Amino acid sequence: SAVISQKPSRDICQRGTSLTIQCQVDSQVTMMFWYRQQPGQSLTLIATANQGSEATYESGFVIDKFPISRPNLTFSTLTVSNMSPEDSSIYLCSVMTGFDTEAFFGQGTRLTVV
Amino acid sequence: AQKITQTQPGMFVQEKEAVTLDCTYDTSDQSYGLFWYKQPSSGEMIFLIYQGSYDEQNATEGRYSLNFQKARKSANLVISASQLGDSAMYFCAMREGMFSGGYNKLIFGAGTRLAVHP
Repeated sequence: SAVISQKPSRDICQRGTSLTIQCQVDSQVTMMFWYRQQPGQSLTLIATANQGSEATYESGFVIDKFPISRPNLTFSTLTVSNMSPEDSSIYLCSVMTGFDTEAFFGQGTRLTVV
Repeated sequence: AQKITQTQPGMFVQEKEAVTLDCTYDTSDQSYGLFWYKQPSSGEMIFLIYQGSYDEQNATEGRYSLNFQKARKSANLVISASQLGDSAMYFCAMREGMFSGGYNKLIFGAGTRLAVHP
């Protein structure tokens, strides 16, 4: 299993600013995933964060808008840059500790951009 | 192409009755995994049940069971003896690419909002 601590749990930000979300895992994991959940919608994968290499972004998401750091096997950050109201969402980090196991999720960050 | 389809935006069930939430999927991988998660209004994602594509038996976890029909590519969640606390969003998800060098990522369906009535 894995316990994930995600910070902040919520924030209200001004448009044009940036917010960095932190994700700390209590064990070493190879891959960490960042998801976005827009209001009333499902989870959409933003990118896969691999330790020691560049993050792999899904279609529709770019590094300039969502830069990701993965300095070690237990920590990752996602930055939402130059925010607009359309970025208001829940952002969740997730890990899988093996091939045949569940994905564990952080508590999520509820972001409101005004 | 949509890979996970949940056709029921909302479902209602009486307390203590059983309910089935539908999920169909599309993949060309031979090896994949199917998951169900519950998301209450607090926003956390709660793992419910997992079914591997090679598992011959349907997965069960307490009041949750997964009706896996591989040929039909369906993985429906059955909740028995519904409780008021079961009211939440339910997401079906698929992990593919386990042995094909993929990212091991999850792809989620649109979700079904379940309301349990007393």
